[in-house]
Parts: sequence; structure tokens; C-alpha cells
Amino acid sequence: EPEVTQTPSHQVTQMGQEVILRCVPISNHLYFYWYRQILGQKVEFLVSFYNNEISEKSEIFDDQFSVERPDGSNFTLKIRSTKLEDSAMYFCASSSDSEANYGYTFGSGTRLTVV
Amino acid sequence: GQNIDQPTEMTATEGAIVQINCTYQTSGFNGLFWYQQHAGEAPTFLSYNVLDGLEEKGRFSSFLSRSKGYSYLLLKELQMKDSASYLCAVSPTPHDYKLSFGAGTTVTVRA
Repeated sequence: EPEVTQTPSHQVTQMGQEVILRCVPISNHLYFYWYRQILGQKVEFLVSFYNNEISEKSEIFDDQFSVERPDGSNFTLKIRSTKLEDSAMYFCASSSDSEANYGYTFGSGTRLTVV
Repeated sequence: GQNIDQPTEMTATEGAIVQINCTYQTSGFNGLFWYQQHAGEAPTFLSYNVLDGLEEKGRFSSFLSRSKGYSYLLLKELQMKDSASYLCAVSPTPHDYKLSFGAGTTVTVRA
């Protein structure tokens, strides 16, 4: 079964440093997403990406965040100058509107710890 | 804004049935998803409803009433491995399929 792959599985970084979280969506999917889940809280939408541009972003996704599709397979989330409150699990997802229930699939996540 | 409510916790006995309710008030509606999430893991897809009625898939069934803004997930013949958090999520827009999640219902299955 196709998978969404995320790396690294766990990242520890110092406050103020930049991090890049990486994702390889399912190859024939067209829509890509980043979500985050702070420990003990709900999954929150950050950003959606379609046709090489951001289609929607939440109020959480401020100038500290950026997304990129540097090549035909990778999808990255960059967090500049990390803060303690950025510590969370970050999930990448992808979907296709040509499939039933859009084939919405989440990756296994990157646990980001800011110290 | 999007408002999706579900109970925080439920406990049931192995072999029993549990029903998890979800009510939603969202800016639009393009389908409702149920996910299972074990601690520290990614959400995994359980069911999707876009039309009113019941969708059955093995031990899991999901029901939707769009007029009432209501859904439930029914788990039958509970097993210990069903102990997890169950997330109700709504796709409010037809354009990019972003999901708005409820806070999740933690189900504990006891022997």
C-alpha cells in the first residue's frame, strides 16, 4: 500500500535554530498538507499545497514557516528561528481528488523537540 | 471558524459495542472522516461519509446526518487493540480538502 514518508522521525533543536522537516507524498497525489499536534492536544491544520503553491494556510502558519516542493517527490516544511512552543508532532499528508475519500494519507510524523 | 465536538473519554468492555458521537458546525461541508490514532503515532483512516446514512466496514460503522451536523462511529466486538484515540474530522471546503479535527475521544477497552 502506498505510504507517505517523513524524515526525521525525531528532531531535537535549540531555540532559535532553523529546522527542515521532510516528506515524500504518495507519488500520484496532487494535494499536500502539513498538520501539527502538540502533546495532548488536537491535530491542527497548518498549510495545504497544490500546483506548486500554497492553497490555504492557517493563522498558525506565520512568517516563521515556509513550505517548498524542491523537486518532483519531496515536500518540506521549514521553521525559522524555532520557539519552545513549536515542540509538537508534525504530520505530512497527501490526497487525490480522483480517489474515493481522496486517499487521504498521513505520514508517521516527525516529533520536534525545541530545547 | 470550525467547531467539532466529541466526548473526551469512553470506557468499554472487550466484546462490547461503543458509539462515539461527533457534532460539527463548520463554514462548509465536503465530507467527514473518522481516524484512529494510537499514542505517538499518525492518524490512520477508518471511514469517510459525505452523504447521509450508514457506512459499514467490518467491525466499524459510521453514520452521518448533514441536516443535524452529526456523525457517530460505532465500534463492535471491541478488542484490546481498539484502545486508542478516535478523531472526527471535517473537510469544510471542496477546493483543497484540508481537515478540521475534533479533540479526539480516548477509548479504553477493559478485559
